[in-house]
Amino acid sequence: GQNIDQPTEMTATEGAIVQINCTYQTSGFNGLFWYQQHAGEAPTFLSYNVLDGLEEKGRFSSFLSRSKGYSYLLLKELQMKDSASYLCAVVDSNYQLIWGAGTKLIIKP
Amino acid sequence: GAVVSQHPSWVICKSGTSVKIECRSLDFQATTMFWYRQFPKQSLMLMATSNEGSKATYEQGVEKDKFLINHASLTLSTLTVTSAHPEDSSFYICSVTPLAASYNEQFFGPGTRLTVL
Repeated sequence: GQNIDQPTEMTATEGAIVQINCTYQTSGFNGLFWYQQHAGEAPTFLSYNVLDGLEEKGRFSSFLSRSKGYSYLLLKELQMKDSASYLCAVVDSNYQLIWGAGTKLIIKP
Repeated sequence: GAVVSQHPSWVICKSGTSVKIECRSLDFQATTMFWYRQFPKQSLMLMATSNEGSKATYEQGVEKDKFLINHASLTLSTLTVTSAHPEDSSFYICSVTPLAASYNEQFFGPGTRLTVL
């Protein structure tokens, strides 16, 4: 079966750095997305990785290792507004999005 | 990014009534729209893929006679929850993929919160 694993919840301090991991086992791979979702709102796009390596975009970076079935989202200089759920999603061989359950990130002052 | 709207943003209805939710792609044409459901503290669950001009493709376990999908144009898809029951109370979100997208980035609508009494 297809499976996406992420930690359920993480806590970090304002101004710090946090890394949210995602491991996947899917039938084929055509890219991996990270989305941010604030409570009661729809997800918003953060990043897309299809090749191995690190993609940096401001305070957020996303890393992919296809051979290990592994990705992480790195958030730097954490702000209170970064408190949200972060969803990892993989595009499988049928171009279907397989969603992880999301990681709830709690930022403390 | 693309702009997607949903209407209504929230609805409360009595058990047994039908509720229609609209999803509009405001700034590009979308041959494919997706309908998701999200229960509290859970991830998105794909319900169906809506294809313009043809029948929707439903995920396993989703009743197509209960969740009617109509994708009549390249900018509008509707989801009708027929004979809604309290267990249908959820957050319903649509998303679209632009025709020209080189990968399957999905742009999400703001969601519709349905509460069935």
